[in-house]
Amino acid sequence: EAQVTQNPRYLITVTGKKLTVTCSQNMNHEYMSWYRQDPGLGLRQIYYSMNVEVTDKGDVPEGYKVSRKEKRNFPLILESPSPNQTSLYFCASSLVPGPHTEAFFGQGTRLTVV
Amino acid sequence: AQKITQTQPGMFVQEKEAVTLDCTYDTSDPSYGLFWYKQPSSGEMIFLIYQGSYDQQNATEGRYSLNFQKARKSANLVISASQLGDSAMYFCAIGDGWGKFQFGAGTQVVVTP
Repeated sequence: EAQVTQNPRYLITVTGKKLTVTCSQNMNHEYMSWYRQDPGLGLRQIYYSMNVEVTDKGDVPEGYKVSRKEKRNFPLILESPSPNQTSLYFCASSLVPGPHTEAFFGQGTRLTVV
Repeated sequence: AQKITQTQPGMFVQEKEAVTLDCTYDTSDPSYGLFWYKQPSSGEMIFLIYQGSYDQQNATEGRYSLNFQKARKSANLVISASQLGDSAMYFCAIGDGWGKFQFGAGTQVVVTP
């Protein structure tokens, strides 16, 4: 089944403790992206990747890191999480970069930083 | 820079009625795509419909249609014959040719019997 898989689905952590949210897609998509969703703000793009080893900042990259060493994986790293990073996070992928293809979303990761 | 605006935070619609969700955008890119996604209470993001900036005809997908008015920079979603299962949050989004996507704040739709 074609899908984008995020892990974990739920995570509660403490301020400053490094964490990684994994994202994997099995559709051979070139483009992958991370978003955070907060009430009243919709989804905001954190980072995106046009292809392996190519990443770029979205609208809210502060406090996050990403890497794209393989086509299928695009982990999101929070080196020192803070409470303002408590949010619902989505990973998404598209066949090719650009405005003409839909994005497939993972199930979401609900992160709470205390 | 791109910007998406959804001015309706929430709306009620009766079952079997049509509903229009507003979306306006701003971009300086000549090539862009407009998307609508549905997010039910379970949280997943479901793709509904897409419109390219150069498409001459309005997009349709089953009960969903996109009323694209390029000069007015609007891309409203029309859901015909609403069903109870249409109750959800709906997001409009714009994508450019360089990998950037922006989403609106969303419109919560509640379909009543």
